[in-house]
Amino acid sequence: GENVEQHPSTLSVQEGDSAVIKCTYSDSASNYFPWYKQELGKGPQLIIDIRSNVGEKKDQRIAVTLNKTAKHFSLHITETQPEDSAVYFCAPLSGNTPLVFGKGTRLSVIA
Amino acid sequence: KAGVTQTPRYLIKTRGQQVTLSCSPISGHRSVSWYQQTPGQGLQFLFEYFSETQRNKGNFPGRFSGRQFSNSRSEMNVSTLELGDSALYLCASSLDRGTMRGYTFGSGTRLTVV
Repeated sequence: GENVEQHPSTLSVQEGDSAVIKCTYSDSASNYFPWYKQELGKGPQLIIDIRSNVGEKKDQRIAVTLNKTAKHFSLHITETQPEDSAVYFCAPLSGNTPLVFGKGTRLSVIA
Repeated sequence: KAGVTQTPRYLIKTRGQQVTLSCSPISGHRSVSWYQQTPGQGLQFLFEYFSETQRNKGNFPGRFSGRQFSNSRSEMNVSTLELGDSALYLCASSLDRGTMRGYTFGSGTRLTVV
């Protein structure tokens, strides 16, 4: 089955700085790479995703980059704001298998 | 457009009891998945249903079971509750797993076993 690792597990940045979270996976058949954000008291919410035929995708201040050869993908948040503070999960998907989530990265943006 | 609705939001049960949790997916979504979230283990997959059929099951004991109704609403049941079952139980719906459109999660049911 898929083995997913996220790094770092915790990340503190000053407001306005950038944050990068990396996700490493083991299943070379993975072809869909989403990132979820979970705020306190809520379920995870999809914030950005990328498919295997694309190397990078950007949506305003967030972006995801994919390196299929090395089997990792990263979440980039620029100009961080206090409301970006949350737990972020990667969950690479392979065909008809269920989502396998990383352990999560707790991001704290310090004002 | 209504999101994924999970009821109840909070639940306290005693060891040995059983519990039933409910999930109403987004209208039109036919796939419903359940996850258990704990601080130590993170998000762990329980099972997935599509058109009333279980398509996949995670590595949980038989005390954990689920079902899906013809209107796509789903329930999960945990029998003979143990302290370790205390967790946030999350339900996610999607049009179908194969669409890769992303899963929409509910806010979860916080189960506490005492």
